[in-house]
Amino acid sequence: DTGVSQNPRHKITKRGQNVTFRCDPISEHNRLYWYRQTLGQGPEFLTYFQNEAQLEKSRLLSDRFSAERPKGSFSTLEIQRTEQGDSAMYLCASRGKANYGYTFGSGTRLTVV
Amino acid sequence: AQSVTQLGSHVSVSEGALVLLRCNYSSSVPPYLFWYVQYPNQGLQLLLKYTSAATLVKGINGFEAEFKKSETSFHLTKPSAHMSDAAEYFCAVRKRRLSGGGGNTPLVFGKGTRLSVIA
Repeated sequence: DTGVSQNPRHKITKRGQNVTFRCDPISEHNRLYWYRQTLGQGPEFLTYFQNEAQLEKSRLLSDRFSAERPKGSFSTLEIQRTEQGDSAMYLCASRGKANYGYTFGSGTRLTVV
Repeated sequence: AQSVTQLGSHVSVSEGALVLLRCNYSSSVPPYLFWYVQYPNQGLQLLLKYTSAATLVKGINGFEAEFKKSETSFHLTKPSAHMSDAAEYFCAVRKRRLSGGGGNTPLVFGKGTRLSVIA
């Protein structure tokens, strides 16, 4: 069990640029979640995958955001035309069938300047 | 919709003193409940979880929490605070289906409580 891995750890980008983050979940976990956390707040749910299927999307996930999990293993989260309001920590978590709680990665901190 | 309220955005205790972090949930059916800890620039680490067994749940690092249905609470406690306990703590809830299990419902987090420990 190597844990949930997220890359990059930090990303600074100019407003209007596109960014992509990657999440590698625990290998036997079939459920994968993306959350966003802004300063002083708890994590907010963005989207959820079971295997390769994206089963739920939050209204927070605007059309500039897209997430994929093509082979049911790693996942990517892309933000197009970034805005300053996108600056946040993006957290990925995974869960196995028999688990109740999630295992989180260390997150990717995005700063849009 | 499920929700949690954490009372107190910041709690400060002396080293060796009791830690009490409050969490109340809103749900028509007793949900699954969790406490997570987050250290600066890190992800979240699970401290403990309540699923349906004992109402007093013991977790890592000496923390425990008690599920009280009558008070819709799941407060986190530790008898004696240590400097290394200073961190952000999040209470989270996941909906429990009437038929059992949580299905695919996502975790919903509170806003967090920052714990400071004074030497």
